[in-house]
Amino acid sequence: AQKITQTQPGMFVQEKEAVTLDCTYDTSDPSYGLFWYKQPSSGEMIFLIYQGSYDQQNATEGRYSLNFQKARKSANLVISASQLGDSAMYFCAMNPPFSSGSARQLTFGSGTQLTVLP
Amino acid sequence: GAGVSQSPRYKVAKRGQDVALRCDPISGHVSLFWYQQALGQGPEFLTYFQNEAQLDKSGLPSDRFFAERPEGSVSTLKIQRTQQEDSAVYLCASSPKRGGNYNEQFFGPGTRLTVL
Repeated sequence: AQKITQTQPGMFVQEKEAVTLDCTYDTSDPSYGLFWYKQPSSGEMIFLIYQGSYDQQNATEGRYSLNFQKARKSANLVISASQLGDSAMYFCAMNPPFSSGSARQLTFGSGTQLTVLP
Repeated sequence: GAGVSQSPRYKVAKRGQDVALRCDPISGHVSLFWYQQALGQGPEFLTYFQNEAQLDKSGLPSDRFFAERPEGSVSTLKIQRTQQEDSAVYLCASSPKRGGNYNEQFFGPGTRLTVL
């Protein structure tokens, strides 16, 4: 079974500063994928960034980067130069390795509510 | 763009009523997922379709929950005899890939169900 833990229910950051959202995971699979999603108050889950368990480099997507520490089983999201529009709920998620016919559903953490202050 | 759409966006039901929630995935996407998101929680997996085949329904909380995708595109999640604990946001997601480690899921806006 896979498990995602997000220990920060809420975080505050000043506009234009960087912020790190923590995520640790637990799995016995050697191969897996890690995702971060953003959920604004409108409710839609917006994909931010992906990290494969065998990827050698940390993933980056614009202002988002993923600090992947495989030995520690952590996949923290770093948002640089925070903007007011970044205020939202952020979820860390993972999926199991591919096998034919399997669902490969995402397992989500409980989320971190980020508030960007002007 | 033509993303995943869900209808209705909001549904209020009296306890005991049946409800049907619709999901229109992105055209051509093979995989379709349903998730349930309780207030203040992360989404939890309900069921999975690969084309029209329901390959995993291990997350459905009871036999009152039923999902179908008869032609491999639109999917309907039906809840019979709704209970207050069914109140949640129901999210639908679709994915174009069947294999590989990377299978980004594209989510719809969700249906917020409130059972009175």
